[in-house]
Amino acid sequence: DQQVKQNSPSLSVQEGRISILNCDYTNSMFDYFLWYKKYPAEGPTFLISISSIKDKNEDGRFTVFLNKSAKHLSLHIVPSQPGDSAVYFCAAREYGNKLVFGAGTILRVKS
Amino acid sequence: DTAVSQTPKYLVTQMGNDKSIKCEQNLGHDTMYWYKQDSKKFLKIMFSYNNKELIINETVPNRFSPKSPDKAHLNLHINSLELGDSAVYFCASSQDRTSRVGFGNTGELFFGEGSRLTVL
Repeated sequence: DQQVKQNSPSLSVQEGRISILNCDYTNSMFDYFLWYKKYPAEGPTFLISISSIKDKNEDGRFTVFLNKSAKHLSLHIVPSQPGDSAVYFCAAREYGNKLVFGAGTILRVKS
Repeated sequence: DTAVSQTPKYLVTQMGNDKSIKCEQNLGHDTMYWYKQDSKKFLKIMFSYNNKELIINETVPNRFSPKSPDKAHLNLHINSLELGDSAVYFCASSQDRTSRVGFGNTGELFFGEGSRLTVL
């Protein structure tokens, strides 16, 4: 009963192109959605978030889109850089600031 | 000056032993968490403490006991270790002013580097 799903275990993109990471959720009570980035042997670090009352949030090369009716969000990275290669976790917030994480997508940006 | 630090980073031990993982944050945050990343790479919350008070306690065996001596520390003690306890355990902290949207509480967590526990 995974409430947050990242159906693509991995994604490979050429440097300079767009990376699109997808995430689906089932719980309509989530009020905030976040993306975390994780390098090997490090903890996840916060990347960008979006409130459930918005449909887009942009921060530099990173944009998160939220489609509430489809219970879907996506992270766009453009242009992709080799340093973006990492595992990206989608997370959704429910009560008590509890975050529910997806399984992660490994992004490889090839130069 | 790491923001969220946890020790040890690696821990290898035998089944049945008792072990502890320590966590400290110097961010002045009110809330601390323990997450477990299992073999399937899911990050699952185990516990959260707000100002030393237990807020979230997911379905975790009683062998796991968190202890928060002050709001900057949240330690995890595990009794009678089992093979299935092998995982990476992440400590995290956040500053939670309120749970309402738009009031500065975005759910952003600051994670430690993780402690890889291997039970043989």
